[in-house]
Amino acid sequence: DAGVTQSPTHLIKTRGQQVTLRCSPKSGHDTVSWYQQALGQGPQFIFQYYEEEERQRGNFPDRFSGHQFPNYSSELNVNALLLGDSALYLCASSYRGFLSNQPQHFGDGTRLSIL
Amino acid sequence: ELKVEQNPLFLSMQEGKNYTIYCNYSTTSDRLYWYRQDPGKSLESLFVLLSNGAVKQEGRLMASLDTKARLSTLHITAAVHDLSATYFCAVDTRPGTASKLTFGTGTRLQVTL
Repeated sequence: DAGVTQSPTHLIKTRGQQVTLRCSPKSGHDTVSWYQQALGQGPQFIFQYYEEEERQRGNFPDRFSGHQFPNYSSELNVNALLLGDSALYLCASSYRGFLSNQPQHFGDGTRLSIL
Repeated sequence: ELKVEQNPLFLSMQEGKNYTIYCNYSTTSDRLYWYRQDPGKSLESLFVLLSNGAVKQEGRLMASLDTKARLSTLHITAAVHDLSATYFCAVDTRPGTASKLTFGTGTRLQVTL
């Protein structure tokens, strides 16, 4: 049973560039959330997708955008990269999002470094 | 804005000792989760606490929730080295049609021999 898979595992970009991160949810899950985890900090909620719609957004600028596909996989796009965007980006999935009390399952993350 | 505070931020304890990690949060919620994160790894779900007075136990770890005090605790009994990790509590709020986790800053636990 495949868990949450994310790609790539590591990425190095320069300021001003754009990046796309990908996530496949755990089998049977239909809701995907994205989190940013800076070094030594707890994860911060970016947004959540359910039924291909952004359902809620955290305190992140419009440079952060996303998409969910019909197969429930998701992408996180970040434009005009800043040094402060360097972090571990975690994808989490669950079944039926806000209708469920089951814990979100996390992927191993993408480590993004901005030079 | 919801605030979730954990203390201590860092805990060094000897094997065999007991200790408690505290998680305080600033708004009403009756859904709280505990996660474990090993260095360089992702988050692993430990406990799901869904009501006032909920208590869950797994091995040497026990978690509880007091929604009136807005407090959750994670108690470690007779610590072993394998428990060394960072522990996060996360409060689940349901704005609109979403489930949003707000994490604490984490407690880094180091169990020494």
